[in-house]
Amino acid sequence: AQSVAQPEDQVNVAEGNPLTVKCTYSVSGNPYLFWYVQYPNRGLQFLLKYITGDNLVKGSYGFEAEFNKSQTSFHLKKPSALVSDSALYFCAVRPRLKGGSYIPTFGRGTSLIVHP
Amino acid sequence: GAVVSQHPSWVICKSGTSVKIECRSLDFQATTMFWYRQFPKQSLMLMATSNEGSKATYEQGVEKDKFLINHASLTLSTLTVTSAHPEDSSFYICSARDQDRVSDTQYFGPGTRLTVL
Repeated sequence: AQSVAQPEDQVNVAEGNPLTVKCTYSVSGNPYLFWYVQYPNRGLQFLLKYITGDNLVKGSYGFEAEFNKSQTSFHLKKPSALVSDSALYFCAVRPRLKGGSYIPTFGRGTSLIVHP
Repeated sequence: GAVVSQHPSWVICKSGTSVKIECRSLDFQATTMFWYRQFPKQSLMLMATSNEGSKATYEQGVEKDKFLINHASLTLSTLTVTSAHPEDSSFYICSARDQDRVSDTQYFGPGTRLTVL
């Protein structure tokens, strides 16, 4: 079975500082990994995904994520946070095995609050 | 690309009435769509997987007669909440599977806020 852990319910960071939102996963074989962002009363917006290749993935709005196979992590990062980045962030994992479930498993979400 | 729309964005109805929510993939064909429910400050709860031209697959604990799903075309899936009650009030989000993209990404609609009085 696949699972995703987002160990922090909330992350607080000052505007202009770097931010990290943590995600670890458990899945059979090599995974596809995703990050989504949800603003209040809105659906999820796709940010970025890891498929293969370079472990550092760049996505929308200046976000990036680093795939670390040995630590089974896919932390979301941004060098300089903006107040407008304040939202709920979801990590998701899906196995790439043939015959495996194509339904991704989502983490519980991490609320990012960027203070002015 | 990869835009998913949802209609209506919000709806208020009386207890006992039925409400239909539409989910459309605007620029790609989606053989599979998903319906989620989200409670305040909580993660997504997958309700069902909707496959074009066949019956939906419901997650354990989700009443199929209560939440009717129809996926009549490659770009449209509908969720009908039948005989809605206040406990059905929630934020419902659909997503569509874009199989043509590498890694088979899901794209989400903007959600529908249902309030049952």
